[in-house]
Amino acid sequence: EIVMTQSPATLSVSPGERATLSCRASQSINSNLAWYQQKPGQAPRLLIYGASSRATNIPARFSGSGSGTEFTLTISSLQSEDFAVYYCQQYNNWPPYTFGQGTKLEIK
Amino acid sequence: QVQLQESGPGLVKPSQTLSLTCTVSGGSISSGGYYWTWIRQHPGKGLEWIGYIYYTGNTYYNPSLRTRVTISIDTSKSQFSLKLSSVTAADTAVYYCARQFKGMVDDTPVVWFDPWGQGTLVTVSS
Repeated sequence: EIVMTQSPATLSVSPGERATLSCRASQSINSNLAWYQQKPGQAPRLLIYGASSRATNIPARFSGSGSGTEFTLTISSLQSEDFAVYYCQQYNNWPPYTFGQGTKLEIK
Repeated sequence: QVQLQESGPGLVKPSQTLSLTCTVSGGSISSGGYYWTWIRQHPGKGLEWIGYIYYTGNTYYNPSLRTRVTISIDTSKSQFSLKLSSVTAADTAVYYCARQFKGMVDDTPVVWFDPWGQGTLVTVSS
């Protein structure tokens, strides 16, 4: 099973600033990675697939990069609605599909 | 657009079977290319993929849960269901149903989960 490790666990950033979230896979997953956003009391929402492709209706301030074992989600200018928990998920080796433990993005 | 809604008991006793149903609306559960998935989230923790079913009845389960999980589908009702047997407190979680896309985009294989149901908390306790 591929283990996904996200860092940091919590990231404090001011509105309008850039946020950079990291995700590492225990072995190469090529570009087979998705990112999700989860707000309190809500289900996760798909942001990125294929490591860098934005899902439908996702704002351009969200971008993903990386391949192999190291991946990054960047939010270029944080809006108030972006403060949430973010999860990465690999789909290169399955079953099972596996998720990271999440990074909580909080207001500084 | 497609919407999913989980239903089922919020409290299950240890050693019993957890049973949940997901109702799909706004689209066909028999659409090719989509798989119907269960994912759970332990309180304050990350996400765990449980398994999926295709409209043909083909299933795939998480190996860690395989001996206890059954996912079934009723296309006539636009529903799919989860049964998890011999539950313990460790199975207490929010259970989500989701639509999984597994296919090719720009000649690249992709998988994503979208949309999701709102989730339902199942507590295992006597």
